Amino acid sequence: DTGVSQNPRHKITKRGQNVTFRCDPISEHNRLYWYRQTLGQGPEFLTYFQNEAQLEKSRLLSDRFSAERPKGSFSTLEIQRTEQGDSAMYLCASSLGRAGLTTDTQYFGPGTRLTVL
Amino acid sequence: GQNIDQPTEMTATEGAIVQINCTYQTSGFNGLFWYQQHAGEAPTFLSYNVLDGLEEKGRFSSFLSRSKGYSYLLLKELQMKDSASYLCAVSGGQNFVFGPGTRLSVLP
Repeated sequence: DTGVSQNPRHKITKRGQNVTFRCDPISEHNRLYWYRQTLGQGPEFLTYFQNEAQLEKSRLLSDRFSAERPKGSFSTLEIQRTEQGDSAMYLCASSLGRAGLTTDTQYFGPGTRLTVL
Repeated sequence: GQNIDQPTEMTATEGAIVQINCTYQTSGFNGLFWYQQHAGEAPTFLSYNVLDGLEEKGRFSSFLSRSKGYSYLLLKELQMKDSASYLCAVSGGQNFVFGPGTRLSVLP
């Protein structure tokens, strides 16, 4: 396994369209995270999964955003009715997420750069 | 609330040593992480601290003082390829809170 992968790497869409991104985590990792990053800022937490369960969702995440991890492996992030303010890099990360771990390092994928025109 | 502060930009010379500071105020603490991010690429893990003190990893070292809410990343023998953003992140629960990052420029 070469690490976390994300597809597509780039997406250009028109305002109002829906987009979906995919993340494939490192195979033995139970936790999967989604972040959004804009230029000059650090990644901003969106949501995370422990296996197939979505355990936390940022209050900043509007109802237009939804994420799934149906079989506890890959995950999708969908943005409905995109707005120009959604333009950003969307990063996925995964971690072991095993019981008893006090510190759980996250490993990031290459990201999907979204441009909303 | 949760707040993490880092200097926005730093400049250093090839071969020198640079220290990047990070201060944090978070509701919980399970560890502090440092990531390197080159422009247009994903963050890559550098180091983490859970207990107070210095962790050394080759040319990179990271220090933590939990009582002061303070950490620093020390980069020795700087190389041109070290030009990147350095992100401080605190694990306060299950997710990470990232600082804004420090953009380091290494000059010849």
